[in-house]
Amino acid sequence: GAGVSQSPSNKVTEKGKDVELRCDPISGHTALYWYRQSLGQGLEFLIYFQGNSAPDKSGLPSDRFSAERTGGSVSTLTIQRTQQEDSAVYLCASSLGLFAGELFFGEGSRLTVL
Amino acid sequence: DAKTTQPTSMDCAEGRAANLPCNHSTISGNEYVYWYRQIHSQGPQYIIHGLKNNETNEMASLIITEDRKSSTLILPHATLRDTAVYYCIVRSQAQGSGYALNFGKGTSLLVTP
Repeated sequence: GAGVSQSPSNKVTEKGKDVELRCDPISGHTALYWYRQSLGQGLEFLIYFQGNSAPDKSGLPSDRFSAERTGGSVSTLTIQRTQQEDSAVYLCASSLGLFAGELFFGEGSRLTVL
Repeated sequence: DAKTTQPTSMDCAEGRAANLPCNHSTISGNEYVYWYRQIHSQGPQYIIHGLKNNETNEMASLIITEDRKSSTLILPHATLRDTAVYYCIVRSQAQGSGYALNFGKGTSLLVTP
């Protein structure tokens, strides 16, 4: 597609379950970013990829969070043993490269943990 | 990256120019000024960026002061669909500077009929 695609758009899960969020970036974009936005809050940076590599994982909120990217394309953000404070909109963005300041965002995946 | 300061909220009448200010007094020579906006329930959208010269595109104009310590985003003829949170971000494009855009709290712009 022409833009960044994220799935699912909405996910409701029970506390303690694992969830996977998927991001399909714009074709040819080598850089990929994950952010999250809690209700009424600003964007919190989580992690970035250059190709399949994520050099800095320090932005991930806890060790329950992990992310991977394969084939320099699709990325998956996994949250294990979800907690209620994980409820947020998870946003993915891609760009032509790490030095490109124009990021293209998807519509986000809204996660609700009951 | 340098910090930015923006007003929390602003109003603008439909059809009038919306002028959104941003202070970035600690900006350094290799840092660019970026503007994004986020319409309710959507992902952020890039608007414009600049280094020291004024910039214009189909969406907006960016006016950067000569000392680069502040800038103004201008939406020349605001419409109701321009109601959004507008983020001013300062970012270096030098290698090793960190690659995440840091979105602060932004300015909530309300365009009224």
